[in-house]
Amino acid sequence: EAQVTQNPRYLITVTGKKLTVTCSQNMNHEYMSWYRQDPGLGLRQIYYSMNVEVTDKGDVPEGYKVSRKEKRNFPLILESPSPNQTSLYFCASSGEGQGGTEAFFGQGTRLTVV
Amino acid sequence: GQSLEQPSEVTAVEGAIVQINCTYQTSGFYGLSWYQQHDGGAPTFLSYNALDGLEETGRFSSFLSRSDSYGYLLLQELQMKDSASYFCAVKKAGTALIFGKGTTLSVSS
Repeated sequence: EAQVTQNPRYLITVTGKKLTVTCSQNMNHEYMSWYRQDPGLGLRQIYYSMNVEVTDKGDVPEGYKVSRKEKRNFPLILESPSPNQTSLYFCASSGEGQGGTEAFFGQGTRLTVV
Repeated sequence: GQSLEQPSEVTAVEGAIVQINCTYQTSGFYGLSWYQQHDGGAPTFLSYNALDGLEETGRFSSFLSRSDSYGYLLLQELQMKDSASYFCAVKKAGTALIFGKGTTLSVSS
């Protein structure tokens, strides 16, 4: 089954404690990206990757890091989380289908930083 | 920069037809796509318009006019399960999808 898997689904952490949210896709997609979703702000792009070892900043990259060492994995790293990073996070992947606009999303990670 | 504008909320009754508009300020993109997101769930792909005109998929249709920088999603024979948020999105070469802020559709009986 084609899917994007994110873990964990829910996470409560304290300010400053490094954390990693994992994302894996099994569709051999070139594009992977991370979004955060906040009420009234829609889906805002954090980072994206066009392929292995190729990453670029999105609209809200501050406080986040990513890596793309393998095609299937695209972890999101918060080195020193702060309360303003409390949000719902989505990982997505897409290939060349539908002009690259058909993205598959993970189930989301609801992060709370206290 | 680039931005996509959508109404924040739309309400309708079961069986009705509703149109969700999306205007954009960007160029050089592949096409306009639409996503549906139920409360607490992940966005799911609905449709894609590469060319100007209307694309129909069952009860849902999507339209694009590049000359007017405008598109819309048309939902017919509305059902309660259509209550969700709907996002328009564009993709340009070398970038990830860029989304509008979403339109919350509430369908009542």
